[in-house]
Amino acid sequence: NAGVTQTPKFQVLKTGQSMTLQCAQDMNHNSMYWYRQDPGMGLRLIYYSASEGTTDKGEVPNGYNVSRLNKREFSLRLESAAPSQTSVYFCASSEGPRRYEQYFGPGTRLTVT
Amino acid sequence: GIQVEQSPPDLILQEGANSTLRCNFSDSVNNLQWFHQNPWGQLINLFYIPSGTKQNGRLSATTVATERYSLLYISSSQTTDSGVYFCAVEEGTSGSRLTFGEGTQLTVNP
Repeated sequence: NAGVTQTPKFQVLKTGQSMTLQCAQDMNHNSMYWYRQDPGMGLRLIYYSASEGTTDKGEVPNGYNVSRLNKREFSLRLESAAPSQTSVYFCASSEGPRRYEQYFGPGTRLTVT
Repeated sequence: GIQVEQSPPDLILQEGANSTLRCNFSDSVNNLQWFHQNPWGQLINLFYIPSGTKQNGRLSATTVATERYSLLYISSSQTTDSGVYFCAVEEGTSGSRLTFGEGTQLTVNP
């Protein structure tokens, strides 16, 4: 099992460009999450999907959109990238939305110039 | 929202030493996890421990939910233990989201 996979690993964007970060899990988990990690800090939740067909905002959703494509895949889209979105983005999954252990992907390092 | 405080923020050890990392949280929790972020940035699950005590090799963890803290013990530290250790909690009432502390940066010197 690959667990949680993310693509790309690295990306550089210019201000105003758009892109989609991809995440997939092969653990048959119901819930998936997108977090961002800024230097010297812990992770903060952007959006989550408690189950296929549902998405909800987390702590820092502004400037992002998400799509739960199917049970395996959860994508994060930046419509018009800004320098403040320079960060490392982590996708995670868990068996359910509450009281379950979350498992994290390797991260995508995004720089917006 | 819930507050998570980790201490100490930085810790430098000689190989072979023992250490205790602490995580305090401000409200009841459904879920508490400890992670190790290695120097390559990967987050590794150490423990899922909303209450009680667990051990895994040289590492063990204890959560006292009624007193709102958790401890991570590292014994006989090795250079590969270096990195950042995060505590993350899921708030009891809202759920569905892990709130992370700011981490403890551990450096183990040979």
